[in-house]
Amino acid sequence: GAVVSQHPSWVICKSGTSVKIECRSLDFQATTMFWYRQFPKQSLMLMATSNEGSKATYEQGVEKDKFLINHASLTLSTLTVTSAHPEDSSFYICSARAGGNGYTFGSGTRLTVV
Amino acid sequence: AQSVTQPDIHITVSEGASLELRCNYSYGATPYLFWYVQSPGQGLQLLLKYFSGDTLVQGIKGFEAEFKRSQSSFNLRKPSVHWSDAAEYFCAVGHQTGANNLFFGTGTRLTVIP
Repeated sequence: GAVVSQHPSWVICKSGTSVKIECRSLDFQATTMFWYRQFPKQSLMLMATSNEGSKATYEQGVEKDKFLINHASLTLSTLTVTSAHPEDSSFYICSARAGGNGYTFGSGTRLTVV
Repeated sequence: AQSVTQPDIHITVSEGASLELRCNYSYGATPYLFWYVQSPGQGLQLLLKYFSGDTLVQGIKGFEAEFKRSQSSFNLRKPSVHWSDAAEYFCAVGHQTGANNLFFGTGTRLTVIP
């Protein structure tokens, strides 16, 4: 079945630094990927839709200059949290629509900013 | 506007007892419906999905869900719960066509007591 690999699974960084999260579709091409954010004990909130070869579409209230998304190939989308602050600490999950009717999710990245 | 409601934030059941998790949706078109399970610190695992056809859908781990259009519901059921079923469960709705994202409910946390 369709597999999405997300890396790293967890990361700790210092406040003010940037962190890059990768999301790869391993056995299919993903023209569109989705980035979600999940706060503790809450649901997944869509941050942005990543489109291969074009700019990402951000949801209202999500700072595009802070959360940089690059989808340079059909199998890779990256989310970079720039100048991270403690309030950016969260669980980030990517997802891709694997053709047909399925959505496949990455295993998530736990970001802790200290 | 699309929305997904999971009325029960937390449910506790005894091992071996039956389980029903509620999900109601509001969607402007014919929806795709999903149930996902998430263990702490993990990504999402698809339990089952409904696209069309038989309104009673069988999933993995002995779960099933029934789509009731008249009630805009897609409740998840399991006849006998196992301790390993303790997790967070999310209902989600998506569009039948296009590269649209999923909309998630707020989740139901399931606790299983011996």
